[in-house]
Amino acid sequence: AQSVSQHNHHVILSEAASLELGCNYSYGGTVNLFWYVQYPGQHLQLLLKYFSGDPLVKGIKGFEAEFIKSKFSFNLRKPSVQWSDTAEYFCAVKFRMNTGFQKLVFGTGTRLLVSP
Amino acid sequence: NAGVTQTPKFRILKIGQSMTLQCTQDMNHNYMYWYRQDPGMGLKLIYYSVGAGITDKGEVPNGYNVSRSTTEDFPLRLELAAPSQTSVYFCASRENRGGGYEQYFGPGTRLTVT
Repeated sequence: AQSVSQHNHHVILSEAASLELGCNYSYGGTVNLFWYVQYPGQHLQLLLKYFSGDPLVKGIKGFEAEFIKSKFSFNLRKPSVQWSDTAEYFCAVKFRMNTGFQKLVFGTGTRLLVSP
Repeated sequence: NAGVTQTPKFRILKIGQSMTLQCTQDMNHNYMYWYRQDPGMGLKLIYYSVGAGITDKGEVPNGYNVSRSTTEDFPLRLELAAPSQTSVYFCASRENRGGGYEQYFGPGTRLTVT
């Protein structure tokens, strides 16, 4: 079955520290990859997405992610975090099922706390 | 555009009660989804719809029902609420074009069953 793994469940950083959140998926076919963010009390919002082309994708608020096909990974990075980045981050992978339906599978999420 | 709206924001149910979670989108999206979010579990797909009159089960459909009589609305029905259905429920919709796509999420409904 298709699955998405986020190994860091909780991350605590100080402001200006660099961030890298891991995401791995279990599927060898064509995938589309997403990172969503959920700020406290809010709904999920798209940070960035990868369809094809340049494997280094830049998103909003200074976030970027790199798709490494050989490692089945799509790690999220930010060079210098801010207190306002405190949120929960979800990696999601779009798989195409045998029925043709395109299913979005989410990782379990990583809670990031940035201390001022 | 209001995007995806959900009502109610919060609800407490007693075991065995029923309720309908409402979801509406004004983006003319054909695809709509219901997810539940449990702590440490990410989002799990309950039901989805590819257009008015067409729905199908996701990963965790037991205990839920849906209908899609219009493009805009995709209500989720709980017939006999159970404590295991305590969760945050998110509705989402996506653009109609194929290829890579973004799902737009509603603000969620926090449901407690006691």
